[in-house]
Amino acid sequence: AQSVTQPDIHITVSEGASLELRCNYSYGATPYLFWYVQSPGQGLQLLLKYFSGDTLVQGIKGFEAEFKRSQSSFNLRKPSVHWSDAAEYFCAVLNQAGTALIFGKGTTLSVSS
Amino acid sequence: GAVVSQHPSWVICKSGTSVKIECRSLDFQATTMFWYRQFPKQSLMLMATSNEGSKATYEQGVEKDKFLINHASLTLSTLTVTSAHPEDSSFYICSARSGTGNTGELFFGEGSRLTVL
Repeated sequence: AQSVTQPDIHITVSEGASLELRCNYSYGATPYLFWYVQSPGQGLQLLLKYFSGDTLVQGIKGFEAEFKRSQSSFNLRKPSVHWSDAAEYFCAVLNQAGTALIFGKGTTLSVSS
Repeated sequence: GAVVSQHPSWVICKSGTSVKIECRSLDFQATTMFWYRQFPKQSLMLMATSNEGSKATYEQGVEKDKFLINHASLTLSTLTVTSAHPEDSSFYICSARSGTGNTGELFFGEGSRLTVL
């Protein structure tokens, strides 16, 4: 069965420092992968997605993610974190039927000054 | 970009009552909408897939008689929590896919927080 694992429940990063949020997936074929951000009291916003092609995907707000098939990973990165990036981040994979998303448990990002 | 709106954003009800949550796609038509449930500090769990003009498809373990889903038009899906109990208290989020096929972007509503007293 498909699944998504986000190993880090909570990460704290200093403002201006680099960030990497880990995501591992379990999927039999080529996955469609997504990263979403959820701010307090807000809905989910799509940061970026990978369907095929270049394994390094650029997203909004300066985020990027790299698909590594050999590691079954799709880690999210940002070179310099801003205080406004503090939020909950979810990695997701499209289910095998291609109809809905399977989410990881999320990683809470805190940004310290 | 496309917008999905949910209403109400927060509802408090007494145990035993029914609550309806609406999900609207504001600037696109969505033949398929999805309902998720999110517990505190937990991931989003897919509850059901709502299909316009037909019955919803429920995930395993989700009581279809308790969580009634209606997708009467291409822009509106509703989730009714019937005879709500405190354990139904949760954050309910809907999403809708724009475009055709399975790779159209999924847009999420702001969520509806249900508290059952």
